[in-house]
Amino acid sequence: KAGVTQTPRYLIKTRGQQVTLSCSPISGHRSVSWYQQTPGQGLQFLFEYFSETQRNKGNFPGRFSGRQFSNSRSEMNVSTLELGDSALYLCASSFDLAGGKYEQYFGPGTRLTVT
Amino acid sequence: ELKVEQNPLFLSMQEGKNYTIYCNYSTTSDRLYWYRQDPGKSLESLFVLLSNGAVKQEGRLMASLDTKARLSTLHITAAVHDLSATYFCAVGSFGNEKLTFGTGTRLTIIP
Repeated sequence: KAGVTQTPRYLIKTRGQQVTLSCSPISGHRSVSWYQQTPGQGLQFLFEYFSETQRNKGNFPGRFSGRQFSNSRSEMNVSTLELGDSALYLCASSFDLAGGKYEQYFGPGTRLTVT
Repeated sequence: ELKVEQNPLFLSMQEGKNYTIYCNYSTTSDRLYWYRQDPGKSLESLFVLLSNGAVKQEGRLMASLDTKARLSTLHITAAVHDLSATYFCAVGSFGNEKLTFGTGTRLTIIP
């Protein structure tokens, strides 16, 4: 069974640009969550999508947005990049809590560097 | 707001020794996770604990959950170098997939 895939793996952008990251969950999983990991703030929840709807959102500015497609693949977008957006962005895939399945599996991450 | 505290932040121990990592959380939750992260890598799922008194073991790692004390522990038995990594606990929010992570414990096993 294939794991969670994220593309691209590495990205270098300039302040003010925008970026789109992609996540393909494990086959059959319908929930996709996004997390930002930085040395200073640790792992922080960005948002979660289920059946193309955002179900939960963390405390990030509106520059951070996402969406989910009918095949459960998800994208997140960051507009007007700032230096502080440099981080490892992780995507987590899960079936659904309502189904009694609680495991969340993380992808390899996209390392974003903003210069 | 759910807060998760993990200690110690850093742990250096010799091979063959035992040690415990602690994870405290501030509000009631229905599930607790332990993950391992190697440098530059993603998070590897170790355990999911769902009920009070739950205990799970895999090799030299054993995790337990006390929901009344809002405490989980990750016990390492007879540590080996391969266990060197950063360990995170994460607490689930009721009714949704959001996880709140602890700060992580960087474990270094010295030969």
